Amino acid sequence: GESVGLHLPTLSVQEGDNSIINCAYSNSASDYFIWYKQESGKGPQFIIDIRSNMDKRQGQRVTVLLNKTVKHLSLQIAATQPGDSAVYFCAENGGKAGGTSYGKLTFGQGTILTVHP
Amino acid sequence: GAVVSQHPSWVICKSGTSVKIECRSLDFQATTMFWYRQFPKQSLMLMATSNEGSKATYEQGVEKDKFLINHASLTLSTLTVTSAHPEDSSFYICSARDSRLAGEQYFGPGTRLTVT
Repeated sequence: GESVGLHLPTLSVQEGDNSIINCAYSNSASDYFIWYKQESGKGPQFIIDIRSNMDKRQGQRVTVLLNKTVKHLSLQIAATQPGDSAVYFCAENGGKAGGTSYGKLTFGQGTILTVHP
Repeated sequence: GAVVSQHPSWVICKSGTSVKIECRSLDFQATTMFWYRQFPKQSLMLMATSNEGSKATYEQGVEKDKFLINHASLTLSTLTVTSAHPEDSSFYICSARDSRLAGEQYFGPGTRLTVT
């Protein structure tokens, strides 16, 4: 079946380092990808998104890279801070606009990011 | 920014009883809302898609008679867990899609259900 997965379940970094979280997806029809941050006991918080017609998008301290050839997505966090400690999920928006799966998000397994001061 | 609320934030109920969870979009209209379930240390799993004014669409393996969904207005969807059992204990999260913006989804803070 279709799935979105992550290579690394945990990541520990020192404060100030850059963090890279990876994600593999299998649905080649997906045209929209999102990264979420989830803190303990809370709902997912939107970080950044990217559409399939782009290969890179930058936000504040975050960059998402999309490699459609190998169906790979990554989230880069610059100058990681203790407040960045959380679980990070990638998600793909199912199918193309107008399709029956459009709008349904399939989440990856998640990566626990721990930032040490 | 777009805000989605859930009520209650946590609930404890006895086995066999029913529990209703509300999901509200506070500053936008949402013709579509989604319900997810998340077990500890696991990812979010989509349970169903709630459409205003029509029946919900359930994902494979989700019992529609056990998880009743009602989307009576453009700002409110409810999930009722009927005849709850301890294995239904989980974190239930809703998201709402802004009717004006294709693809934009906003998540609620989640509801922690514990069935004793």
